[in-house]
Amino acid sequence: GESVGLHLPTLSVQEGDNSIINCAYSNSASDYFIWYKQESGKGPQFIIDIRSNMDKRQGQRVTVLLNKTVKHLSLQIAATQPGDSAVYFCAEKTAGTALIFGKGTTLSVSS
Amino acid sequence: DGGITQSPKYLFRKEGQNVTLSCEQNLNHDAMYWYRQDPGQGLRLIYYSQIVNDFQKGDIAEGYSVSREKKESFPLTVTSAQKNPTAFYLCASSITRERDTQYFGPGTRLTVL
Repeated sequence: GESVGLHLPTLSVQEGDNSIINCAYSNSASDYFIWYKQESGKGPQFIIDIRSNMDKRQGQRVTVLLNKTVKHLSLQIAATQPGDSAVYFCAEKTAGTALIFGKGTTLSVSS
Repeated sequence: DGGITQSPKYLFRKEGQNVTLSCEQNLNHDAMYWYRQDPGQGLRLIYYSQIVNDFQKGDIAEGYSVSREKKESFPLTVTSAQKNPTAFYLCASSITRERDTQYFGPGTRLTVL
């Protein structure tokens, strides 16, 4: 089964709201995590990553939080825009193994 | 303009035919990967290559073959042995396999008629 999953398959928000997309992972040995954005018909686009020695990392309008105690990862998007509508995947990696992807959360942003 | 290119974007084939999907990168990455994506599913690893002339099977290698004769190129052949080949195929690369961030191409959608 999947070792990486997301709490919700879909998330709908209003333009300007903050979005939070969640991801649970099962392997406590995972030490690297990535968030990807995939628009319809396109390849996944790297958004942000975080290593297990960090709890938080910020990018442009995005923040990734890592809670190793409960094995939870989240992606926060500030001031969500229609262009943020896409499927968001988290992925985890343990040293020496392949990257494992979750199934994705579809974010829909309405104006 | 650096990046990963895949061609063609759409591909149709008849049952029983082999077909080859192209993947090229000019990022000077050592590692390259092929994934399959089905509707509502995550990405599943087909094959990966850490270095020229070397490649390893992923989780769903049956019915697929690859080659890595050049650092820049990692073509995937979908053979007639693949029973359900209709899917979206994604190629990715990373600096090395342990330098984990993978960057993806635009994908090829294969449809078997």
